[in-house]
Amino acid sequence: KAGVTQTPRYLIKTRGQQVTLSCSPISGHRSVSWYQQTPGQGLQFLFEYFSETQRNKGNFPGRFSGRQFSNSRSEMNVSTLELGDSALYLCASSSAVSGVNTGELFFGEGSRLTVL
Amino acid sequence: GESVGLHLPTLSVQEGDNSIINCAYSNSASDYFIWYKQESGKGPQFIIDIRSNMDKRQGQRVTVLLNKTVKHLSLQIAATQPGDSAVYFCAENIGGSYIPTFGRGTSLIVHP
Repeated sequence: KAGVTQTPRYLIKTRGQQVTLSCSPISGHRSVSWYQQTPGQGLQFLFEYFSETQRNKGNFPGRFSGRQFSNSRSEMNVSTLELGDSALYLCASSSAVSGVNTGELFFGEGSRLTVL
Repeated sequence: GESVGLHLPTLSVQEGDNSIINCAYSNSASDYFIWYKQESGKGPQFIIDIRSNMDKRQGQRVTVLLNKTVKHLSLQIAATQPGDSAVYFCAENIGGSYIPTFGRGTSLIVHP
């Protein structure tokens, strides 16, 4: 079974630009979560999608958004990039029983964003 | 590989020693806990979990201990190997939401 796939793995942007990151979950997993990882703040939860609906949202500004498609693939977008958005963005998928996640998150290898 | 944390507590051990990584969690309502391992350049990987109705759970070479009284979690790794070198995160979940809150992480360095 293929794992969680994130693209692109590395990207460099400049302040003010926008970026879109993509995540393909494990086949059959309907829950997709996004995390931002930085040395100073650790792993911070961005949002979680289930069946194309955002179910949970972390404490990030509106510049951070996401969506999920009918095939469970997800994208996240960051607009008007700031230097502080430089981070590793991790996507994780989870199986769910009756809409409730089963607990274990399966992470991709992340997209490393550098904002100059 | 990429460094995942420049300001993490670090535990250095010799190959073959037992390692104990500690975690203080924040919410007394948390009822499900997971340990993840993150190797350089990779995403976190599930190691072991424990629910709040247990105080100990064992896996292969790993044991998780939960002390709800003091909100403390520990991960014990037996006969630590160089391949165990990584950053270890504890994560807590509240009330079945399964949106874990991650701790800051501990860097484990195993010397051959």
